[in-house]
Amino acid sequence: GENVEQHPSTLSVQEGDSAVIKCTYSDSASNYFPWYKQELGKGPQLIIDIRSNVGEKKDQRIAVTLNKTAKHFSLHITETQPEDSAVYFCAASRNGNNRLAFGKGNQVVVIP
Amino acid sequence: EPEVTQTPSHQVTQMGQEVILRCVPISNHLYFYWYRQILGQKVEFLVSFYNNEISEKSEIFDDQFSVERPDGSNFTLKIRSTKLEDSAMYFCASSAYPETEAFFGQGTRLTVV
Repeated sequence: GENVEQHPSTLSVQEGDSAVIKCTYSDSASNYFPWYKQELGKGPQLIIDIRSNVGEKKDQRIAVTLNKTAKHFSLHITETQPEDSAVYFCAASRNGNNRLAFGKGNQVVVIP
Repeated sequence: EPEVTQTPSHQVTQMGQEVILRCVPISNHLYFYWYRQILGQKVEFLVSFYNNEISEKSEIFDDQFSVERPDGSNFTLKIRSTKLEDSAMYFCASSAYPETEAFFGQGTRLTVV
């Protein structure tokens, strides 16, 4: 099955700086790559997703890039703010929300 | 904003006991999912459910597990005879379609003692 690896496990950034989280996946048939943000006491919340027919997608301060050849995708957060502090999960699947394979999560800490 | 709600937030049960985890998906959603996360490990897919049937299930979802939509609003996960290794955070999710945003509940932390 699909295996998703996520790096780094923790990331501290100064407020205003950019944060980048990278994920790799193993199944070349995966075509859906969502990113989730999880705040304390809450479930994962979708923040952005990308499908394999595009290489980049942007939504305000958040962007995701996908390299199908290398089988990796990255989340970019620009102008980080304290409210960006959370655990971020990447995931991949062949079929939308079915059998999403998650990365282990990345704790992002934005230092004011 | 619509949300998926799960009850209870924390359940402690003795090994061998049956537990039922409850979820109320978003009202107009048709696709339902259970995922779990053992402490320190990845979130893992358990099962997806559509039109009153299981669509897909993982290797984890063995005969000890079952899902049900007993009425028009609830979606439940039953574990018949809990084991210590079933201790985990269980997340319910729902989506309007399999390819649209999945909304996750806040999770139920199951502790088997």
